[in-house]
Amino acid sequence: GENVEQHPSTLSVQEGDSAVIKCTYSDSASNYFPWYKQELGKRPQLIIDIRSNVGEKKDQRIAVTLNKTAKHFSLHITETQPEDSAVYFCAATNLEYGNKLVFGAGTILRVKS
Amino acid sequence: DGGITQSPKYLFRKEGQNVTLSCEQNLNHDAMYWYRQDPGQGLRLIYYSQIVNDFQKGDIAEGYSVSREKKESFPLTVTSAQKNPTAFYLCASSAALVGASEQFFGPGTRLTVL
Repeated sequence: GENVEQHPSTLSVQEGDSAVIKCTYSDSASNYFPWYKQELGKRPQLIIDIRSNVGEKKDQRIAVTLNKTAKHFSLHITETQPEDSAVYFCAATNLEYGNKLVFGAGTILRVKS
Repeated sequence: DGGITQSPKYLFRKEGQNVTLSCEQNLNHDAMYWYRQDPGQGLRLIYYSQIVNDFQKGDIAEGYSVSREKKESFPLTVTSAQKNPTAFYLCASSAALVGASEQFFGPGTRLTVL
């Protein structure tokens, strides 16, 4: 089955700097890759997602890139702000066979002001 | 915070007891899911359901049971057979199991075994 690895486990950046979180997946049939943000004590919320027919997707300060050949995808946050501090999870699945997400272990992002 | 709700927020269980966690959604979603979240391990799928009266085991189903008698409800029972039940439990739903994308999460239930 699918296996998703996520790095780094913790990331500290200065406010205004960029942050990059990387994930690799094992199943070449996976075609949907969402990123969730979970603030302390809150529920995970989808912040951006990408499908396998697209190489990059952007939403304001957040972008996701996908390299299908290498089987990895990355989350890029530019101009980080203190409210970006949270745990970020990547996930992967094949939507044609069921939306059973396999999650990475998570990255704790701390933005220092 | 509407859409998908879970109760209770905190639950304490003595060893040997079964407990049931509630999950309700008013999004008219067909698919529902239960995840377990442990520190440093991300979310792991326990059970999922794509339609009323149907559910399937996820990756870590041992010691858990579910039912799906109504579209809106997907309760999870943590049985005494679950050896390490202390965790944060998250329920989620999506429009469908196949083809749909975004999963919406509930606020979670934190279960502690005393």
